[in-house]
Amino acid sequence: GAVVSQHPSWVICKSGTSVKIECRSLDFQATTMFWYRQFPKQSLMLMATSNEGSKATYEQGVEKDKFLINHASLTLSTLTVTSAHPEDSSFYICSAVGFGSYNEQFFGPGTRLTVL
Amino acid sequence: QKEVEQDPGPLSVPEGAIVSLNCTYSNSAFQYFMWYRQYSRKGPELLMYTYSSGNKEDGRFTAQVDKSSKYISLFIRDSQPSDSATYLCAMALGRGYQKVTFGIGTKLQVIP
Repeated sequence: GAVVSQHPSWVICKSGTSVKIECRSLDFQATTMFWYRQFPKQSLMLMATSNEGSKATYEQGVEKDKFLINHASLTLSTLTVTSAHPEDSSFYICSAVGFGSYNEQFFGPGTRLTVL
Repeated sequence: QKEVEQDPGPLSVPEGAIVSLNCTYSNSAFQYFMWYRQYSRKGPELLMYTYSSGNKEDGRFTAQVDKSSKYISLFIRDSQPSDSATYLCAMALGRGYQKVTFGIGTKLQVIP
């Protein structure tokens, strides 16, 4: 149980385009989903916290207009990187917390974004 | 000073060795401590979690938390090549707090 999927697993796009990444909890309903970014040889950095039906809470320094988060249901959250630039190239990982699981975040496999 | 300090390694050990992985932290309010394993190009998977100080054992893995020293450890007994991965420590203010702070991760290689 507690499986989280992400789609796509990798994407290459041109500078200036927008990219959407999906995060789904497959076998449980997620009260909260988190979006992280991981640069090479760096730790996971929380970008935003997303609750179903409400606006996402962004961490300091993360542009909410650039990284659009939509949490449409208890099993789906999407991250859209708008007007992507090469410096946005990174590994984007989502995680989900189920009802009653408190801090036990279950992570997706990640999406590697490369912006040319 | 970072909230969580973790040696990135890499750490190379022979198969069968006991591995010790450690993290220190600065925020004494942290009460919930976790260890994640992350294989290359994959998302982290939760290995163990501990609430407050003490030890927890699960198979070949033992997690220790010493809140007085702000020091946590993960021990792996009889290490296997399949244990080769990056191990991230993580911590939170408490069970009711979902924001988790991660260490940078220690890359472990177990050599057959």
